[in-house]
Amino acid sequence: QLQLQESGPGLVRPSETLSLTCSVSGGSISSTTYYWGWLRQPPGKGLEWIGTIYYSGGTYYNPSLKSRVIISLDTSKNQFSLKLSSVTAADTALYYCARHVPVTIFGVPMMGWFDPWGQGSLVTVSS
Amino acid sequence: AIQLTQSPSSLSASVGDRVTITCRASQGISSALVWYQQKPGKAPKFLIYDASSLESGVPSRFSGSGSGTDFTLTISSLQPEDFAIYYCQQFYSYPYSFGQGTKLEFK
Repeated sequence: QLQLQESGPGLVRPSETLSLTCSVSGGSISSTTYYWGWLRQPPGKGLEWIGTIYYSGGTYYNPSLKSRVIISLDTSKNQFSLKLSSVTAADTALYYCARHVPVTIFGVPMMGWFDPWGQGSLVTVSS
Repeated sequence: AIQLTQSPSSLSASVGDRVTITCRASQGISSALVWYQQKPGKAPKFLIYDASSLESGVPSRFSGSGSGTDFTLTISSLQPEDFAIYYCQQFYSYPYSFGQGTKLEFK
């Protein structure tokens, strides 16, 4: 059974870089079948997709965060990582990693839904 | 970017009730929509894909319908474990987006 687990500092200073790692067990991130994504949820608010990475290293970022985000893979450790630079209080959130499942609709390949998710890692931006 | 608007934002209901949650897309997204359930302190759980297909293991009291811009999630007979927040998500086009959520509360 595939499991994902986020890890990283729970407190980041404003203007610094948030760094999180997602450890994957029960499956390989080198699989050509799936993508791997990061999402976040500010306290008491809804969900936002941050970005997704493929086994080849190809990345797709939310335009609203693209200038500050880097997602990378470490296949030797079966992990993928998120870096978000120049953080502010608005970046305070529960950060989730998840498998991003591709799908084909009417013959068109698409990146689909997120399943399963990690348990989440709360990151607070504060001085 | 495609906006998803869910209604209502919150809903009070009782065990045994039939409830319907709506998700409206700002432009047509075919059937590229999924639904999640999120309980307090937990990650979202994937329920329905392609607007109307039930994920394996999800109780049959859950159903989804719709295509284009208007979608619904229906729970035919509410059970105590169904009180949660429900989110829709579109994957028709990048950036992938979510509705703001519908909180299903006990009446």
